[in-house]
Amino acid sequence: GAVVSQHPSRVICKSGTSVKIECRSLDFQATTMFWYRQFPKKSLMLMATSNEGSKATYEQGVEKDKFLINHASLTLSTLTVTSAHPEDSSFYICSARGTSGRDQETQYFGPGTRLLVL
Amino acid sequence: DAKTTQPNSMESNEEEPVHLPCNHSTISGTDYIHWYRQLPSQGPEYVIHGLTSNVNNRMASLAIAEDRKSSTLILHRATLRDAAVYYCILSRYTGNQFYFGTGTSLTVIP
Repeated sequence: GAVVSQHPSRVICKSGTSVKIECRSLDFQATTMFWYRQFPKKSLMLMATSNEGSKATYEQGVEKDKFLINHASLTLSTLTVTSAHPEDSSFYICSARGTSGRDQETQYFGPGTRLLVL
Repeated sequence: DAKTTQPNSMESNEEEPVHLPCNHSTISGTDYIHWYRQLPSQGPEYVIHGLTSNVNNRMASLAIAEDRKSSTLILHRATLRDAAVYYCILSRYTGNQFYFGTGTSLTVIP
């Protein structure tokens, strides 16, 4: 149980294009999902908290117009990197908070999406 | 946000127990203690979490100090597949946001 998937696993795009990354909770409903980014040999950095049916809450320094987050259902959140540039190249990881028992106390992570902007 | 402090790296021999320490002296009463591990180019994998009492599961044990200012992740018998970066994270139940530190890179020696 508590499986989170991401799609695509890797994407290469040209500078100036927009890229959408999907995050799905496969066997549980997630009212709260989180988005992180990770640069090579660095730790994960929280970008935003996404609550189903409401606007995402962004961490300080994260551009909300650059990184659009939608959490339209209890099993799906999307991150759109708009007008991507090479500096947006990174490993993007989502997680979902469980909704029952001890699962509510923690998060389950997806496998990550590698974005390369040329 | 309460911070955690972990050693940058540790080594262990295969098939021996490993004790990974974490200091969190500014922990509040409602903060949960979580442990995750991450392999290169993969998302973090849940290991264990707890609030006040020690916890055991099939992967590991979590020993929490009585004052909760430190904790130890115990891998009972290290295997080569346990080599990873281990993160100790605190979170509040209400928000549940995770702020990752630098973690401990565990090397398992055959």
